[in-house]
Amino acid sequence: SQKIEQNSEALNIQEGKTATLTCNYTNYSPAYLQWYRQDPGRGPVFLLLIRENEKEKRKERLKVTFDTTLKQSLFHITASQPADSATYLCATGRDGGATNKLIFGTGTLLAVQP
Amino acid sequence: DTEVTQTPKHLVMGMTNKKSLKCEQHMGHRAMYWYKQKAKKPPELMFVYSYEKLSINESVPSRFSPECPNSSLLNLHLHALQPEDSALYLCASRVAGRDYNEQFFGPGTRLTVL
Repeated sequence: SQKIEQNSEALNIQEGKTATLTCNYTNYSPAYLQWYRQDPGRGPVFLLLIRENEKEKRKERLKVTFDTTLKQSLFHITASQPADSATYLCATGRDGGATNKLIFGTGTLLAVQP
Repeated sequence: DTEVTQTPKHLVMGMTNKKSLKCEQHMGHRAMYWYKQKAKKPPELMFVYSYEKLSINESVPSRFSPECPNSSLLNLHLHALQPEDSALYLCASRVAGRDYNEQFFGPGTRLTVL
């Protein structure tokens, strides 16, 4: 069955360092991957989208890569800050058309220590 | 207005009660979603409405009954729930028609079933 895994349940890093989060998928060939941030008790907030024909996308301190050979997406936060502490979710679509069913990964809880 | 609102923020109900969750957006999105999220788990899709018609029901028990009265509103009617239905219920919306469009999430309703 289709599976999306984020192989770190939790990641602790020091302020100023680069955080790298991993999203792996199996039995699936997604056309795109999305990354969301979720703070405790709140809904997820969209951060970045990368499509299968794109190798890399950037937005300010965020960078996402997509390797269809490795079946993996990496999400980087450079110059991390304590305010970046949150759960980060990768997600991809299951069906085409208007309905866009997203499958979410298991999430990685990032803690940036001052 | 790029916001999805949900009411109430918190809800406590007994197993014999009937209650409703409400979701509203004014972004002109014609795809709307209900998700259920348990602690430390990713959001789990329940229902999808596309152009005010129910297009996906992820085998959700009939004690959850969705309704989309118009293009801005989405309700979730609850009846005879079980304690294991306690969770954060998230509503989301997006522009229909393109698979990869981001979803906009509301802040959620924290539901506790006693």
